Amino acid sequence: AAGVIQSPRHLIKEKRETATLKCYPIPRHDTVYWYQQGPGQDPQFLISFYEKMQSDKGSIPDRFSAQQFSDYHSELNMSSLELGDSALYFCASSTPSGDQETQYFGPGTRLLVL
Amino acid sequence: AQSVAQPEDQVNVAEGNPLTVKCTYSVSGNPYLFWYVQYPNRGLQFLLKYITGDNLVKGSYGFEAEFNKSQTSFHLKKPSALVSDSALYFCAVRDRNTGFQKLVFGTGTRLLVSP
Repeated sequence: AAGVIQSPRHLIKEKRETATLKCYPIPRHDTVYWYQQGPGQDPQFLISFYEKMQSDKGSIPDRFSAQQFSDYHSELNMSSLELGDSALYFCASSTPSGDQETQYFGPGTRLLVL
Repeated sequence: AQSVAQPEDQVNVAEGNPLTVKCTYSVSGNPYLFWYVQYPNRGLQFLLKYITGDNLVKGSYGFEAEFNKSQTSFHLKKPSALVSDSALYFCAVRDRNTGFQKLVFGTGTRLLVSP
């Protein structure tokens, strides 16, 4: 079965640089979520989109922005990167109907800020 | 506000023995409850969920969990552990009454199954 695809899988950036993470949800899933997992931490919710509109917002820094496109893929844009942004970034997708409420996670993008 | 507590950082069990990973939750309304497993350098894999109905939920790889509303618990169980079950397990909750979709995770419990 198709899963959530995230790219790139690994990313190394310098401080103050920008990064763009991409997420391709499971086909026919219309809701996308972004989570950040710091080293040894639990995943923390950043933001979600339903039908290309922001549906919920968590502890996402103002330096980060995200959007969902017409094909339902999503991008997380991170600017002025800081050392503390080094983490594993997960995207998850779900659909309101059918398999209700289950969020299926991608493999993550590991971001290292030097 | 929603919260999840996983009181054990690590659970050790011998292969073939039953295992329990504990989870308690706090929500203002009724919960959706989930268990996910994370293997090293991998994403979160969905194991099982409680939405409504039967309090005993069966999931992937022989795992099950029991929803106990009075104790606000959702402990993960397996009758006979395998070495390959060794991984990091996360319990998560969503408050179905708030309309918000985010999952709130516990801090995770590392399960170590010894041969």
